[in-house]
Amino acid sequence: DAKTTQPNSMESNEEEPVHLPCNHSTISGTDYIHWYRQLPSQGPEYVIHGLTSNVNNRMASLAIAEDRKSSTLILHRATLRDAAVYYCILTNYGGSQGNLIFGKGTKLSVKP
Amino acid sequence: NAGVMQNPRHLVRRRGQEARLRCSPMKGHSHVYWYRQLPEEGLKFMVYLQKENIIDESGMPKERFSAEFPKEGPSILRIQQVVRGDSAAYFCASSPSGHGTEAFFGQGTRLTVV
Repeated sequence: DAKTTQPNSMESNEEEPVHLPCNHSTISGTDYIHWYRQLPSQGPEYVIHGLTSNVNNRMASLAIAEDRKSSTLILHRATLRDAAVYYCILTNYGGSQGNLIFGKGTKLSVKP
Repeated sequence: NAGVMQNPRHLVRRRGQEARLRCSPMKGHSHVYWYRQLPEEGLKFMVYLQKENIIDESGMPKERFSAEFPKEGPSILRIQQVVRGDSAAYFCASSPSGHGTEAFFGQGTRLTVV
């Protein structure tokens, strides 16, 4: 599976937007970009996913670079409850068995 | 529609005992995955099962660990003769299909071996 690279940690102020970057320079044409997050002492939670076009849902937006070698998860207004580890994961719908390969993720801290 | 249910939430075992972790997937989901998270580390894939079949167990330790997902009832992750290094959070996830679709995770079972 292709690898992703994320910053170890980021800080944000409450009520401000947060842009979480992810590099995936070896992404293949059939790889989808998934984002999950894990709040303290909880199981991972699906956030959003996309293939080529930018995506929006009630939790976040996903901006995908034109060459697909990078993407950015956007939280429009960070709240204290958004403090979590965010994982950027590539999944291949065509061939993988479906398991997710988690890296170290980005630990997001939100300051009041 | 209840989410993925794992029990127990916390489990304490003495070295050498057996640990049995249960996972009931979301209704309608026939694909189950088990992950392990050691303290201060990321999640590691262990095993992928689809009703009565093990599809991928490449992340499962070769000894003492086994998993099943019977036709009826929850998926079970079984650890025999536990050692202190087995202390971790074990998460189960389910999905409606096995090809990278959205996975729904349970709250995990925190195993402590004393």
